[in-house]
Amino acid sequence: GENVEQHPSTLSVQEGDSAVIKCTYSDSASNYFPWYKQELGKRPQLIIDIRSNVGEKKDQRIAVTLNKTAKHFSLHITETQPEDSAVYFCAASKQGYSTLTFGKGTMLLVSP
Amino acid sequence: DSGVTQTPKHLITATGQRVTLRCSPRSGDLSVYWYQQSLDQGLQFLIQYYNGEERAKGNILERFSAQQFPDLHSELNLSSLELGDSALYFCASSVEIRAGTGELFFGEGSRLTVL
Repeated sequence: GENVEQHPSTLSVQEGDSAVIKCTYSDSASNYFPWYKQELGKRPQLIIDIRSNVGEKKDQRIAVTLNKTAKHFSLHITETQPEDSAVYFCAASKQGYSTLTFGKGTMLLVSP
Repeated sequence: DSGVTQTPKHLITATGQRVTLRCSPRSGDLSVYWYQQSLDQGLQFLIQYYNGEERAKGNILERFSAQQFPDLHSELNLSSLELGDSALYFCASSVEIRAGTGELFFGEGSRLTVL
């Protein structure tokens, strides 16, 4: 089955810095890659997703890039703010399959 | 508010016991997914139901079972509980049959503590 590796497990940055979280996947047939944000004690929520027919997608301060050849995708957060502090999960799904395989998460801490 | 309702929010029980977690999906969503979240394992997919039928199975133990009822609510039954079953159990729903077609809407989770 699909395996998603996520790095780093924790990331500490200063407010205003950029943060990058990287994920790799094992199944070249995967074609949908969402990112979920989970604030402390809250439910995971989708923040951005990308499909394999595009290489990059942006939404204000967040962007996701996809390298199909290398089978990795990354989340980029610019101008980080304390409210960006949360656990971020990447995930991958294969066309025609129901399951979404998540990485183990990255705890992002943004210090004022 | 995601529109997905899970009960109970917290549950404390003893080893060997059985519990039932309940999930009501968003109005109109036919797919219900169950995930287990523990500290070192992230979000582990357990099982998916679509319109009352089991659609996909993940790392679900034989001691665990689930079902989706005609009104689309779902229940996850955990039996012969062990200490290692302590975790946060999330239910998520989506309108589509496949997880790769769009957003999953998660409930607030049910935190199970086995003593």
